[in-house]
Amino acid sequence: AQSVTQPDIHITVSEGASLELRCNYSYGATPYLFWYVQSPGQGLQLLLKYFSGDTLVQGIKGFEAEFKRSQSSFNLRKPSVHWSDAAEYFCAVGDTGGGNKLTFGTGTQLKVEL
Amino acid sequence: DAGVIQSPRHEVTEMGQEVTLRCKPISGHNSLFWYRQTMMRGLELLIYFNNNVPIDDSGMPEDRFSAKMPNASFSTLKIQPSEPRDSAVYFCASSAYTGTSGRSTDTQYFGPGTRLTVL
Repeated sequence: AQSVTQPDIHITVSEGASLELRCNYSYGATPYLFWYVQSPGQGLQLLLKYFSGDTLVQGIKGFEAEFKRSQSSFNLRKPSVHWSDAAEYFCAVGDTGGGNKLTFGTGTQLKVEL
Repeated sequence: DAGVIQSPRHEVTEMGQEVTLRCKPISGHNSLFWYRQTMMRGLELLIYFNNNVPIDDSGMPEDRFSAKMPNASFSTLKIQPSEPRDSAVYFCASSAYTGTSGRSTDTQYFGPGTRLTVL
């Protein structure tokens, strides 16, 4: 079965600094990978997704992620963080065998210092 | 598009009472997912439907939980009787499942959630 690990529970960065959130997955074939963001009291919103092709994926709000098969990683990056980016970020991997179930990581809480 | 609609947004009830959570998926989507989110356990998939048929209910914690999808535009998650440990935020999500052989590429769209408190 697939699994996702987000090793950082909390991350604090200064506004304007760069950001990288880590995500490692376990999956037997080429995975479908997702990053979602959850603001306080809100549902999850899709930031970006990787299915195939170019390993560098662009998303909304200036985020990007790079799929690295050799490292089983799909890290999320942003060159300059804004205070409004403070939220919880979830990495997810798609189901095996043609299904459409997602397995989510435990999330990384991002705090932005002004 | 209105997105995924959940009701109520907040529910406070007493232990032993029946609770019904409702979800209206995005029009045209044929997959629906129920999740539960708590501080201790994170985001857990409870059950999901494809074309109104339950596909995987292995995440439903026990017989007190049941879910139905009588038609493509409505689903319910019922807890009877409710217990304090059921307190959580319950999310509904929907996607446009292609159902073809091989891999699905469908994105799940989440509703705003129902915050349930069982006293």
